[in-house]
Amino acid sequence: GDSVTQMEGPVTLSEEAFLTINCTYTATGYPSLFWYVQYPGEGLQLLLKATKADDKGSNKGFEATYRKETTSFHLEKGSVQVSDSAVYFCALTLSGGGADGLTFGKGTHLIIQP
Amino acid sequence: DSGVTQTPKHLITATGQRVTLRCSPRSGDLSVYWYQQSLDQGLQFLIHYYNGEERAKGNILERFSAQQFPDLHSELNLSSLELGDSALYFCASSVAGGITDTQYFGPGTRLTVL
Repeated sequence: GDSVTQMEGPVTLSEEAFLTINCTYTATGYPSLFWYVQYPGEGLQLLLKATKADDKGSNKGFEATYRKETTSFHLEKGSVQVSDSAVYFCALTLSGGGADGLTFGKGTHLIIQP
Repeated sequence: DSGVTQTPKHLITATGQRVTLRCSPRSGDLSVYWYQQSLDQGLQFLIHYYNGEERAKGNILERFSAQQFPDLHSELNLSSLELGDSALYFCASSVAGGITDTQYFGPGTRLTVL
C-alpha cells in the first residue's frame, strides 16, 4: 500500500543552522505531497504542499521539491529559529476515486536550541 | 485558528462505554475527514464524508461510525470502548475532497479510556 517514510528524530539543531528532514514515499499512482507541522498541544497546520512533479512548495522559509524520480519530498530551511521547534509530518494523498485521506509519516520531532 | 472546531476538547470515560465526538468544518467546506493519533499507530485516516455521503474508509474499526449532517457538521461515534482507543482524534475539512485540496485540521479531542 501507499506509505511515507521520514526520519523520526528527535533532531536537535542550534539556532540559525540549516535544516533537512528527509521524506520518501511509496505510491501506486501520482500523489499530492504535503508537509504539516504540529506545535505542542495543538492540531496540525499545513506548512507547504506540491501537487505535481518538480513543483516546489514554500512557506515561512521552508521549502520542499516534489521529486518523482527519487520519490522524495525533503523539507529544508536555511536558518532555523527556536520557534520552529515542533513535530513535522510528511504526508500524501492519492485518489482512489478522489476520496482518500492523508497517509502520514511517523513525524520528525525537531528541537532548536538557542 | 484553522476555522475547524471540535468538541469536547477532552473526554474521559470507562471501558465498554460509548462516546460521540463532534466536528464543525470551515465555512464553505464540504468534506470532513476523521483521523486518530496515538503513540503506537501514529496518525491514521479513519473516514471521509463529502456533502453528507461517505466517500472513503481508512483504518476505522467496526465499533466506530461516523455521519455528516445536512448542516455539514460531523460526528464520530465510538462504542464498546477499549483502553487502546485512548488517543487524540482530529477532524479536518477541505473544500471538495480532491487530492490537491488542503485539509485544515481542528484542535482535536483527547479521549482517555480508563
